Amino acid sequence: EVQLVESGGGLVQPGRSLRLSCAASGFTFDDYAMHWVRQAPGKGLEWVSGISWNSGSIGYADSVKGRFTISRDNAKNSLYLQMNSLRAEDTALYYCAKDMGYDILTGGFDYWGQGTLVTVSS
Amino acid sequence: DIVMTQTPLSLSVTPGQPASISCKSSQSLLHSDGKTYLYWYLQKPGQPPQLLIYEVSNRFSGVPDRFSGSGSGTDFTLKISRVEAEDVGVYYCMQSIQLTFGGGTKVEIK
Repeated sequence: EVQLVESGGGLVQPGRSLRLSCAASGFTFDDYAMHWVRQAPGKGLEWVSGISWNSGSIGYADSVKGRFTISRDNAKNSLYLQMNSLRAEDTALYYCAKDMGYDILTGGFDYWGQGTLVTVSS
Repeated sequence: DIVMTQTPLSLSVTPGQPASISCKSSQSLLHSDGKTYLYWYLQKPGQPPQLLIYEVSNRFSGVPDRFSGSGSGTDFTLKISRVEAEDVGVYYCMQSIQLTFGGGTKVEIK
């Protein structure tokens, strides 16, 4: 059974940093691209960032480019999102999602975690 | 950027009746490899999204056959042949050429 478990969310002040983690199990982690998708309270879904199976291809939404960094550790079956210079508009539930393929584009997201809540507020 | 526009914003359906949701993209989703990268998700209340349909018309594992997807180019449709109470939630389309979602369609039961 595929499982994705996010952690690392919490309340943080504007301008500070936070690192999210996603622990994956139930599939061959290094065969697939992985993504972060967020959902602001009461709003729709927004793709944040994706990373290919071997970290060779990485992408970011314009809204987070230059502030967020995605990474993965295939030996630990883990995905990460380093979030710097956080803003109030980054407040959201952050989901880890598995891609159906090995690259970040042209695949869909077939499995999602339950999400970890990030609240940016003073 | 490719903009995905869903209609209607919300839908109230009598159980057993059909429902249809439209998703239009600002650019063709037909890739040079011949595939069309359009997906449908359902987010039930309090849950993460779940994949229903991939590449326009393929049902994901375990998805009931009352769900079907169709379309091409820039116009796509998700149909539920007979809505059940468990189908309530928000439906999203997504394209994976540039990774953007539609705004969502909320389906509720009358």
